[in-house]
Amino acid sequence: NAGVTQTPKFRVLKTGQSMTLLCAQDMNHEYMYWYRQDPGMGLRLIHYSVGEGTTAKGEVPDGYNVSRLKKQNFLLGLESAAPSQTSVYFCASSTNRDGYEQYFGPGTRLTVT
Amino acid sequence: RKEVEQDPGPFNVPEGATVAFNCTYSNSASQSFFWYRQDCRKEPKLLMSVYSSGNEDGRFTAQLNRASQYISLLIRDSKLSDSATYLCVVTLDTGRRALTFGSGTRLQVQP
Repeated sequence: NAGVTQTPKFRVLKTGQSMTLLCAQDMNHEYMYWYRQDPGMGLRLIHYSVGEGTTAKGEVPDGYNVSRLKKQNFLLGLESAAPSQTSVYFCASSTNRDGYEQYFGPGTRLTVT
Repeated sequence: RKEVEQDPGPFNVPEGATVAFNCTYSNSASQSFFWYRQDCRKEPKLLMSVYSSGNEDGRFTAQLNRASQYISLLIRDSKLSDSATYLCVVTLDTGRRALTFGSGTRLQVQP
């Protein structure tokens, strides 16, 4: 099992460009999440999904959109990148059984210039 | 006020030392508590859950004080491989199972 994978690992964007980050998990997990991590701050939840075809806003959703067309994939889109979106983005997944352990992908380092 | 507060450190300790980290959380309705570990430039990984009665996992002991809204992690006999950032994590039982992270405490174990 690969667990949770993220594509790409690194990206540099110019202000105003768009891009999509892909997260894939092979653990048949129902729940998937996108977080961002900035220096001196904890991971903050951007959007999440409790199952295929569903998405919901987290703590910092502005400037991002998501889609969960297939259970194993969760896409994060930036329509018009801004320097404030420079961050490390982590995807995570978890089961819908008892317990809150989340399994994280390796992260995507995004720089917006 | 941050929902989960931690001393950022760094805590620099020699191998074999005992070190303790503390964390406070602001929402008294928080239901579940965890410590995650994050190595430099890597993803967070679950270290251990924290139970009201306190729990141990080898050299690691976690304690929860709901009255004071306080969580602790004790590491005994520190190893070089314990060097990492330790993230205090809480969650509300909201159905979305989202985690609220502290910003982490950095530990550097020195030879």
